[in-house]
Amino acid sequence: GENVEQHPSTLSVQEGDSAVIKCTYSDSASNYFPWYKQELGKRPQLIIDIRSNVGEKKDQRIAVTLNKTAKHFSLHITETQPEDSAVYFCAASIRSGGGADGLTFGKGTHLIIQP
Amino acid sequence: EADIYQTPRYLVIGTGKKITLECSQTMGHDKMYWYQQDPGMELHLIHYSYGVNSTEKGDLSSESTVSRIRTEHFPLTLESARPSHTSQYLCASSEWVRDGYTFGSGTRLTVV
Repeated sequence: GENVEQHPSTLSVQEGDSAVIKCTYSDSASNYFPWYKQELGKRPQLIIDIRSNVGEKKDQRIAVTLNKTAKHFSLHITETQPEDSAVYFCAASIRSGGGADGLTFGKGTHLIIQP
Repeated sequence: EADIYQTPRYLVIGTGKKITLECSQTMGHDKMYWYQQDPGMELHLIHYSYGVNSTEKGDLSSESTVSRIRTEHFPLTLESARPSHTSQYLCASSEWVRDGYTFGSGTRLTVV
């Protein structure tokens, strides 16, 4: 099955600096890569996603890049703010033999924005 | 408002008790999932369903069971709670995986 590795497990950056979180996946058939943000005590929420026919996607201060050849994708946050502090999860789609779909999640990155 | 709802939000229960965690969604999604998560830690898939009368076990072995009698409802049951079951349980749903999952707010379970 699919395996998703996420690094680093903890990332501390100064407010205003950029943050980058990286993920690798094992199944070359995976074709959908969402990112979730989970603030303390809250539910994970989808913040951005990318499909395999696109190399980069941006939404204001966040962007995701995908390298299908190397099987890795990254989340980039620019001009970080205190409200960016959270746990971030990457994920990759999987497809079972029964035709059903599902996501495999990375282990998460604790992003800490230092004032 | 179309969303996914979990009850209770918090639950403290004694060892050996039977409990059911409720999950309902009003989005008409066929696919529903249960994850176990210690706060801020990895998400572990314990059960999933692709439609009515369809249930499967996930990657993490769990002593819980689930049912899917109605599209909108996906309850999780622990027949005999133990302290090792103490964790947060998150329910999620999706129409198509490529549209991402919507998560519920979770049930924080403590077994004493």
